[in-house]
Amino acid sequence: EVQLQESGPGLVKPSQSLSLTCSVTGYSITSNYWGWIRKFPGNKMEWMGYISFSGGTSYNPSLESRISITRDTSKNQFFLQLNSVTTEDTATYYCARLKATFDYWGQGVMVTVSS
Amino acid sequence: DTVLTQSPALAVSPGERVTISCRASESVTTLMHWYQQKPGQQPTLLIYLASNLESGVPARFSGSGSGTDFTLTIDPVEADDTATYYCQQSWNELTFGSGTKLEIK
Repeated sequence: EVQLQESGPGLVKPSQSLSLTCSVTGYSITSNYWGWIRKFPGNKMEWMGYISFSGGTSYNPSLESRISITRDTSKNQFFLQLNSVTTEDTATYYCARLKATFDYWGQGVMVTVSS
Repeated sequence: DTVLTQSPALAVSPGERVTISCRASESVTTLMHWYQQKPGQQPTLLIYLASNLESGVPARFSGSGSGTDFTLTIDPVEADDTATYYCQQSWNELTFGSGTKLEIK
């Protein structure tokens, strides 16, 4: 069974970078696409970006100047880096497999941006 | 951006039929999907490509629509269906609706 698990710090200071890891088991990240989605307090959901089976990336235009998604195929992990965070980046961050749509999701990690 | 509009909340009694709507700001053909998110859990896929039931999802759930107007139907509703339901389109980038919170009376 495909399983995804996010990990990373739950607290980040404003202006710093947010870095998260998604560890995938039961399926190779060299197949399909793998994405990051976040849910803000108040329930708004936002797609952030994805990385493809070949390592190509696509980002939400609203985040393009601050976001990077990379991967380590040897560990079957992919990563999110979001730079210059503000309090408005406080959210629960999810990783998910993208196969036509998001069919498998991690449990999510809550990240608070605060000094 | 393709904006998806959902009604914010609904309340129904067990055994009733409920329809949750999602309207897109432009045509997304049938590239519309539906998720259920229960409190404290990750979203789970219910319906993909407007009307296809994801494996393992009860047949009480169904989806319909094309173009700009889509509907998720639950019939009959059960107490366990208390959740927030999101639509999401994949025609133009990827965007989510604002969610419909379903309360079972």
